[in-house]
Amino acid sequence: GENVEQHPSTLSVQEGDSAVIKCTYSDSASNYFPWYKQELGKRPQLIIDIRSNVGEKKDQRIAVTLNKTAKHFSLHITETQPEDSAVYFCAAIPLGYQKVTFGTGTKLQVIP
Amino acid sequence: NAGVTQTPKFQVLKTGQSMTLQCAQDMNHEYMSWYRQDPGMGLRLIHYSVGAGITDQGEVPNGYNVSRSTTEDFPLRLLSAAPSQTSVYFCASMVGTIVGNIQYFGAGTRLSVL
Repeated sequence: GENVEQHPSTLSVQEGDSAVIKCTYSDSASNYFPWYKQELGKRPQLIIDIRSNVGEKKDQRIAVTLNKTAKHFSLHITETQPEDSAVYFCAAIPLGYQKVTFGTGTKLQVIP
Repeated sequence: NAGVTQTPKFQVLKTGQSMTLQCAQDMNHEYMSWYRQDPGMGLRLIHYSVGAGITDQGEVPNGYNVSRSTTEDFPLRLLSAAPSQTSVYFCASMVGTIVGNIQYFGAGTRLSVL
């Protein structure tokens, strides 16, 4: 089955700096890679996603890059703000309705 | 649309008790799933369903049962609660889009087993 590794587990940055979170996956059948943000005590919320036929996707201050050959994808947050502080999860999903595999999460702290 | 609704929000059980966590969605999604979230462990899949009458096991199914009699409802049953089942439980539904399969999560149920 699929295995998703996520690094780092914790990340502290100064407000205004950039943050990068990386995930690797094992199953070449995975073709959809969403990123979720989870604030304390809340449900995970989808913030950005990418399909395997796309190398990069950007939405304002967040972007995701995918290297299908190396089987890794990354979340980039620029100009970080205190409200970006949360736990971020990556996931890998294969074609069709199959099991979704999540990374173990990264706790991002943005220091004002 | 209410989205994905979970009840209860909080629950305390004694070891050995049984209970059912309820999950309902009004988006007509075929795919539904249950996850548990423990500190440092991310979201681990318990059971999932690809449609009414069809269920399958995920990564951590032991101690849990599910059924899917309708498209809308996907209850999770704890047969005999154990302290190891203390966790936050999330139900999710999923829909295929042109980009990929997008999941919608419920607000979660915080369960403590004493």
